[in-house]
Formats: sequence, C-alpha cells, structure tokens
Amino acid sequence: DAKTTQPPSMDCAEGRAANLPCNHSTISGNEYVYWYRQIHSQGPQYIIHGLKNNETNEMASLIITEDRKSSTLILPHATLRDTAVYYCIVRVARGQGAQKLVFGQGTRLTINP
Amino acid sequence: EAGVTQSPTHLIKTRGQQATLRCSPISGHTSVYWYQQALGLGLQFLLWYDEGEERNRGNFPPRFSGRQFPNYSSELNVNALELEDSALYLCASSSYSGGAAYEQYFGPGTRLTVT
Repeated sequence: DAKTTQPPSMDCAEGRAANLPCNHSTISGNEYVYWYRQIHSQGPQYIIHGLKNNETNEMASLIITEDRKSSTLILPHATLRDTAVYYCIVRVARGQGAQKLVFGQGTRLTINP
Repeated sequence: EAGVTQSPTHLIKTRGQQATLRCSPISGHTSVYWYQQALGLGLQFLLWYDEGEERNRGNFPPRFSGRQFPNYSSELNVNALELEDSALYLCASSSYSGGAAYEQYFGPGTRLTVT
C-alpha cells in the first residue's frame, strides 16, 4: 500500500507556480521522498527526490518539512506540457524493498491557459 | 543517450495465448523492473531483475515470468492470458550498487489487449 496521501486533482494557471502537496506522516528515517509524473499513456518520468533537505533541479523544487511528515513539489513556471498525474512515493534507499516503487493514485494536475 | 525502449508498442492476443514483451535498459543500467498499469488499478510492481537474476516479484501469479539477458535486456512472458491481463506494461531501469537503490527511468510501455 502507498504510504502517501495526495489530493486527487489540482488546477493551475499557465505561467504560475504549481505547488503539489504530499503527506507521508509514517515516513521512516531511512526513507526518501520521490516524485514522478505520468503524462497520458506514457511511462512515468522521474522528477526529483530528497531525504530531508530541500532539493532543486532543472524540472522542479522539493520542499520537505522539518519533521519530514509532508512535502511539496513546486513547478516554478507551469506550462501546458506539465499537465499530468504526479506521484509522490516514499522509498527506502537500501535493501529488498528499495527496488519496488509503490504508486498511489497521485494528483491529476491540469494547467489551464 | 537513448532511454529505455520497449517492444512492441501494441500487442493484441486472445485469451489463453502467451505474450512476450521486451525491454532494453539505459546503457550502463543493470537492473530492470516491470510494472503493470491496468485501467483503474494504478501502477503495480511485477518483477525486478538484476545481473540476470530475479531479485523480487510482486503479488502476481506464476504465469507472469521473465528473464534478463547478459546484455541486461529483459523479456516479460505472460502465459495463459486472461482478459484482466489487458494493461499497459511498463519497463524501467536503474543502476544498482551495493544494495543501494537509484532512481528508475521508465520506457513508453507496451499496451497489451486480450480479447
């Protein structure tokens, strides 16, 4: 079972920042937060991951709260091509369980022109 | 650099037949994963292969099987096809070293339709 809770859907205006929340209140100390997205009928695309520090790459920023019980994925300037289902996944870094991504229902983000 | 590739893109089979799906990982990746995405059920982990061996499998019956070749490419075989096997089958690859997990990169998928 997925260990994360996400809103089922969100809307955002093109050009604005899209902030996608994720709750992972039962996260363990050795578990990372991963974000993937899936554009309709395509394979999921890796976005970013983090342990406890905030992370930024060319696609997005990841803000993890100090208690690590929740996080927010930020797409700074959303475009129509960012319309997708976004998955927040909690995953251990080592061991047998590390190899299995457990996808929940995700958040369906719609970017509006 | 080429991403994960899968073939065929679409596959139509009849109930009871066997289906074979193929995956080529990103160059340098030794681990291959298979996932099933059936309508309304989300992405479900199927199998993990690394260095030619099956390392883990999800909650699927034994008629779902596969193998990994010396060049790290992989096949997923589904025997005795049932209607509910109709789904998008996704392959992903990653590096794997010393028990540490790395981000998985997905292919475009094979859409299997069982009639």
